[in-house]
Amino acid sequence: NAGVTQTPKFQVLKTGQSMTLQCAQDMNHNSMYWYRQDPGMGLRLIYYSASEGTTDKGEVPNGYNVSRLNKREFSLRLESAAPSQTSVYFCASSEAGSPRGYTFGSGTRLTVV
Amino acid sequence: EDKVVQSPLSLVVHEGDTVTLNCSYEVTNFRSLLWYKQEKKAPTFLFMLTSSGIEKKSGRLSSILDKKELSSILNITATQTGDSAIYLCAVEPGTASKLTFGTGTRLQVTL
Repeated sequence: NAGVTQTPKFQVLKTGQSMTLQCAQDMNHNSMYWYRQDPGMGLRLIYYSASEGTTDKGEVPNGYNVSRLNKREFSLRLESAAPSQTSVYFCASSEAGSPRGYTFGSGTRLTVV
Repeated sequence: EDKVVQSPLSLVVHEGDTVTLNCSYEVTNFRSLLWYKQEKKAPTFLFMLTSSGIEKKSGRLSSILDKKELSSILNITATQTGDSAIYLCAVEPGTASKLTFGTGTRLQVTL
């Protein structure tokens, strides 16, 4: 049971480059999320998808786009990377009413130089 | 806007000590409060507290929700070096299935 799988685990980008972070879950969860984690800032919500076909902005959406490709997959795209987007990115999924909250992926450490 | 504040931000204790981590929150239409432990990678689930379940316990860890004070505490007794981690508190509103996290408390347990 893989849970939530994120790729890649590490990435270095130059300013202005684009890239897509991939996330897939095999738990048949309806909801999926992208968070970023910076030192001293906790986890901040970038975008979320409450169900297949819907996406909504979170606390820090600027500079990002998302696609809920199907129920399993939720991707995060950086169109023109900036040094301020250097962070650790976590994907998560959940099912409404679940007694265990989110299941997180292992994270992507992104550095923009 | 939902808000979660954790204290202290950082804590160093000796193995065997008891620690109490604090979490206060403001949330629209509270549904649940969750505690996670984060070591080197992804956060892992510890507890979920709701209006119908305000106290949870698992081994040396326990947590209590105070709905009147809009706060929660996480207690760890007889701490071990393996308890060293960042402990995250999060709240879930009743209106949407998204969590708002606090900044976390970094706990270091030394020998």
